[in-house]
Amino acid sequence: GQQVMQIPQYQHVQEGEDFTTYCNSSTTLSNIQWYKQRPGGHPVFLIQLVKSGEVKKQKRLTFQFGEAKKNSSLHITATQTTDVGTYFCAGRRNTGTASKLTFGTGTRLQVTL
Amino acid sequence: GAGVSQTPSNKVTEKGKYVELRCDPISGHTALYWYRQSLGQGPEFLIYFQGTGAADDSGLPNDRFFAVRPEGSVSTLKIQRTERGDSAVYLCASSLIGQDNEQFFGPGTRLTVL
Repeated sequence: GQQVMQIPQYQHVQEGEDFTTYCNSSTTLSNIQWYKQRPGGHPVFLIQLVKSGEVKKQKRLTFQFGEAKKNSSLHITATQTTDVGTYFCAGRRNTGTASKLTFGTGTRLQVTL
Repeated sequence: GAGVSQTPSNKVTEKGKYVELRCDPISGHTALYWYRQSLGQGPEFLIYFQGTGAADDSGLPNDRFFAVRPEGSVSTLKIQRTERGDSAVYLCASSLIGQDNEQFFGPGTRLTVL
């Protein structure tokens, strides 16, 4: 079945440093979504990417969708303590109208002062 | 406005017992999803409803798991003959019609099977 892997599993940075998480799917995706889950919380939607090579920015966050639509990345510039949490990508395959979201393994980000 | 709510927030049961987990989606959201999340893992898809019908139940691990959404709003996830391996946080999410819309997650039900 479809697998979505993320690296790294965990990253610890000092406030102000940059952070990047990479997402790789075993199959071509129709679109990809990113979610953030704070410790003890539930996933919260960040963004969706649809087009090959698409790049979207949200303040300090930059999201990219690969040309082959099999990988994606999230880059955070100048991290803050409020960025702490686990970041998940979630991909959807081109399998018709009722295709499910497959979540990645997640990258846990820790930010210290 | 009200978000997705789930009850109970915590459920402790004994191996072999039957449990029901409830999800109240955001009003007007036609699509409803159930996921299971184990510690340190991403949400694992279980089932997706479009209205009253299950559009995709391929994630249900076995026939002990069943979900219903009889009126197209509230959904109940039912687990029979619970096993210790069923222990996890069960998350519900809803979205507007159309799978490409963002999913709004509830706080989850933490199920512990002793």
